[in-house]
Amino acid sequence: DTAVSQTPKYLVTQMGNDKSIKCEQNLGHDTMYWYKQDSKKFLKIMFSYNNKELIINETVPNRFSPKSPDKAHLNLHINSLELGDSAVYFCASSPSLFYRGSSLHFGNGTRLTVT
Amino acid sequence: AQRVTQPEKLLSVFKGAPVELKCNYSYSGSPELFWYVQYSRQRLQLLLRHISRESIKGFTADLNKGETSFHLKKPFAQEEDSAMYYCALTGQGAGGSEKLVFGKGTKLTVNP
Repeated sequence: DTAVSQTPKYLVTQMGNDKSIKCEQNLGHDTMYWYKQDSKKFLKIMFSYNNKELIINETVPNRFSPKSPDKAHLNLHINSLELGDSAVYFCASSPSLFYRGSSLHFGNGTRLTVT
Repeated sequence: AQRVTQPEKLLSVFKGAPVELKCNYSYSGSPELFWYVQYSRQRLQLLLRHISRESIKGFTADLNKGETSFHLKKPFAQEEDSAMYYCALTGQGAGGSEKLVFGKGTKLTVNP
């Protein structure tokens, strides 16, 4: 009964490759997010989608392209991977765009290592 | 601009000792604050939020608007409290939406 699930859990790849991370939530939430946790454990929002519509893009390079085929899924595609992309990527969801009275539900994270 | 500051990157206490994880914020509106916890190799999960005024796993946090603080406290730390703790604030995002802004986190280690 996993609420927010991400695949894969680990991803090791070489510089220049293209990779995707998938995320699915079964909570019936309208809003989904991608967060990046760097090596210093700093968490920063990358994107948010509401009902398949892009709401927030926090100056993330164009190499990162989120795709939301429906409101239960938010995938992250990364082109031309760079060493600095190595991080843990967390998917999250919330009932709606507005947080008040609600909270984020996170996936287990995808640890991406670029060599 | 919204900002969350957790001044302590690492905090180490002994089992049974009181623990306080500091969090200060900067936000021009009416904030909503949260504490999230990440146990080793696990997902982030909500610990508590200020509007609920609840105590979870013995932790409490009081919003002090005068000092713009939302410190997390527990009177007697347990070894299973060892984790990464993140303070978070709802801030204004694009198009009137709100986004959750996290502090840099404090790694708490409770020693036996």
